Amino acid sequence: EEQLLESGGGVVRPGGSLRLSCAASRFTFNTYTMSWVRQAPGKGLEWVSNIGDSGVITYYRDSVKGRFTITRDNSKNTLYLQMNNLRAEDTAIYYCARILNGYFEYWGQGTLVSVSS
Amino acid sequence: EIVLTQSPGTLSLSPGESAALSCRASQSVTSNYLAWYQQKPGQAPRLLIYGASNRAAGIPDRFSGSGSGTDFILTISRLEPEDFAVYYCQQYGNSPRYSFGQGTNLEI
Repeated sequence: EEQLLESGGGVVRPGGSLRLSCAASRFTFNTYTMSWVRQAPGKGLEWVSNIGDSGVITYYRDSVKGRFTITRDNSKNTLYLQMNNLRAEDTAIYYCARILNGYFEYWGQGTLVSVSS
Repeated sequence: EIVLTQSPGTLSLSPGESAALSCRASQSVTSNYLAWYQQKPGQAPRLLIYGASNRAAGIPDRFSGSGSGTDFILTISRLEPEDFAVYYCQQYGNSPRYSFGQGTNLEI
């Protein structure tokens, strides 16, 4: 069965940086668009960013544009999210997900990012 | 951005009953590109339905999706104890500006 495993979350001060990773296995990683979706504590789901299968095409929600960068290393079957200038409102569980035709087909278990002074 | 509004916010039912969860879009969803997810406490969401009415692999047939345009329904018949969870709808017609509804909490 397809597997996605996130890592890299933690506690960071406002203005700080974190880099999340998502290790993929048991599927052909380089043929799928991948995504990051987040969920603030006790809240709903919010799409953050997408990256195409080759890594060339990327999209971001407006609130993270210019602060977050999504990348992938297809040789390592790994997705990344570099998060800079973090704000309190970025506090959330961050899930990586495999996209198929626009819907989120498989999800990782998530990694918690807490932005607090 | 397409805004999705789910109702009710909370639905209280008993095992064996049927549930109807609503998802209404602020504008028509292209090609009925509407998905439903189930999320249990402490777990990641799980895909249930895509394309408004297509069950994902391994999803029991008591879960069904219907609707078109701006109004969509997730129906769960013969509720099992493991079905009590939070359900989210998501539109992907305005790709990649995906949006989710705020969720419906299905409780016993």
